[in-house]
Amino acid sequence: DGGITQSPKYLFRKEGQNVTLSCEQNLNHDAMYWYRQDPGQGLRLIYYSQIVNDFQKGDIAEGYSVSREKKESFPLTVTSAQKNPTAFYLCASSPLRPGGEDEQFFGPGTRLTVL
Amino acid sequence: GQQVMQIPQYQHVQEGEDFTTYCNSSTTLSNIQWYKQRPGGHPVFLIQLVKSGEVKKQKRLTFQFGEAKKNSSLHITATQTTDVGTYFCAGFTGTASKLTFGTGTRLQVTL
Repeated sequence: DGGITQSPKYLFRKEGQNVTLSCEQNLNHDAMYWYRQDPGQGLRLIYYSQIVNDFQKGDIAEGYSVSREKKESFPLTVTSAQKNPTAFYLCASSPLRPGGEDEQFFGPGTRLTVL
Repeated sequence: GQQVMQIPQYQHVQEGEDFTTYCNSSTTLSNIQWYKQRPGGHPVFLIQLVKSGEVKKQKRLTFQFGEAKKNSSLHITATQTTDVGTYFCAGFTGTASKLTFGTGTRLQVTL
């Protein structure tokens, strides 16, 4: 069964702790993305990667870090520098067809609560 | 930076009524995509529009891309309770390789 998995579904952390969210895809997609969604809000791009060992900052990268050591994996670390980390985090991937514009496939999301 | 706004933010209709959400970009888009997110779920791709003035239909859903490629609309005919969710438009500009999502329209349908 092909798809994107994110774990865990719910995550609780104490303020001041770093936390890493997992994202794995077996769709053989080149591009992967991390978005943040706050209640009643749209999706805001945190980081994205179009190729292994390369990634770009999105619109709200401050306080976050990523790595792309494997095509299948794109973990996101929420650092203690992120001032308001409680949110719903969504990972997505896309195949990057010629022209570079195609649909994104989303994982089920991780709901992070910082206490 | 590029901004994509949607109106209305929220709409509540009775089953059988029609529904329309409008998407407006501050910059010209090379294409526009539409996604649906059910309550508690994740966004799911619905469709992509590329050409100026393009109209596409999926059963009761009609999608339109404006002539200037700066706006789009999604119209649902005779809504059903299964249409409940938040509808997002998302656009690519010619130079950016990332989507900018709209603010979303949340649709509630009651019997």
